[in-house]
Amino acid sequence: ILNVEQSPQSLHVQEGDSTNFTCSFPSSNFYALHWYRWETAKSPEALFVMTLNGDEKKKGRISATLNTKEGYSYLYIKGSQPEDSATYLCAFRSGNTGKLIFGQGTTLQVKP
Amino acid sequence: KAGVTQTPRYLIKTRGQQVTLSCSPISGHRSVSWYQQTPGQGLQFLFEYFSETQRNKGNFPGRFSGRQFSNSRSEMNVSTLELGDSALYLCASSLGARREGQETQYFGPGTRLLVL
Repeated sequence: ILNVEQSPQSLHVQEGDSTNFTCSFPSSNFYALHWYRWETAKSPEALFVMTLNGDEKKKGRISATLNTKEGYSYLYIKGSQPEDSATYLCAFRSGNTGKLIFGQGTTLQVKP
Repeated sequence: KAGVTQTPRYLIKTRGQQVTLSCSPISGHRSVSWYQQTPGQGLQFLFEYFSETQRNKGNFPGRFSGRQFSNSRSEMNVSTLELGDSALYLCASSLGARREGQETQYFGPGTRLLVL
């Protein structure tokens, strides 16, 4: 059974703090790693699709890194803002099964 | 460009009934995937369609089925509804032009199904 773990489960930070979350996935048969942001009452929004070991992606204050050999990805948010409050999901695509397996998410709350 | 649309947005059914949910992908997108989201299980993959063919299937019972039409619109059907089928059902579309699984998926707003 393929398992995708995210930590922490939830996080409360002050506006201006920088924060990071972890996504752990199987290190074999890697195909792609997706990051999504899901705000309450909205649709999940794609942040990054990462495919190569060592990939680093950036979108504004949010960036992500990928280590396929050890099976983890980090998502960083620099200078968190209240509008960053959301659940951040990672999803692993295995080359074997082709299915997209989601983690349980990290819920971020940024206090003004 | 219009986003992914799903209808209906909310649905209440009783046990034993069946339900059909609809998803219209972004114009030009040929791949549609369906997911179930429940509080305890998170987002679970149901199935993926590309050019009217089911390309992948998750670990759900045969009561869950789907199809895709020539215009890429997709429907999902659940027969003999159970209480545990109460969930948010999301569909997502992607172009289908690049290698499968490496494309950005765009999600719809979801259909919230309540089974009584």
